[in-house]
Amino acid sequence: KAGVTQTPRYLIKTRGQQVTLSCSPISGHRSVSWYQQTPGQGLQFLFEYFSETQRNKGNFPGRFSGRQFSNSRSEMNVSTLELGDSALYLCASSLLRTPSTDTQYFGPGTRLTVL
Amino acid sequence: AQKITQTQPGMFVQEKEAVTLDCTYDTSDQSYGLFWYKQPSSGEMIFLIYQGSYDEQNATEGRYSLNFQKARKSANLVISASQLGDSAMYFCAMRELPNTGNQFYFGTGTSLTVIP
Repeated sequence: KAGVTQTPRYLIKTRGQQVTLSCSPISGHRSVSWYQQTPGQGLQFLFEYFSETQRNKGNFPGRFSGRQFSNSRSEMNVSTLELGDSALYLCASSLLRTPSTDTQYFGPGTRLTVL
Repeated sequence: AQKITQTQPGMFVQEKEAVTLDCTYDTSDQSYGLFWYKQPSSGEMIFLIYQGSYDEQNATEGRYSLNFQKARKSANLVISASQLGDSAMYFCAMRELPNTGNQFYFGTGTSLTVIP
């Protein structure tokens, strides 16, 4: 079974631009979560989607948004990029059949650099 | 307050020796899950082991075991017979079950270096 895939793997943008990152979960997984990882702040939760609905959101400004499609694929968008948005963005998927034991499986990440 | 605390920023271990990576957590929930992930320099987070709050036995997965002490709220990862390929960042994580969804909390990580 294929793992979580993320595209693109690397991205370079300039301040003020916007960016869209894509995540395809493991087949059958309906929950997709996004995380931002930076050396200074570590791993921070962005949001979680389940059945096309955002169920949970971290403490990030409104410039960060996402969505999930009917096939569970998810995208996240960052508008008006700032230098501090440079980070590794990780996507994770879960089956959520038994939430108390469910595991999140991560993709390889998208490394975003903002110049 | 931090949900997950990892107090060892860096650890060194001799190849073939065992090493313990510390993790303490903070929650008032009765039902929660504890996870360990490995992140090599490539960046991908690799799931290692899971422990449920109601599990009475410590979890084991090959060379990985989780020393779960519920009263102390600790979930230490033990890696036996360390290998060079174990050099990586290790993250402890917890999942509570809020009504609104599925959210993991991660610690700041421990960088493990295995010395030949």
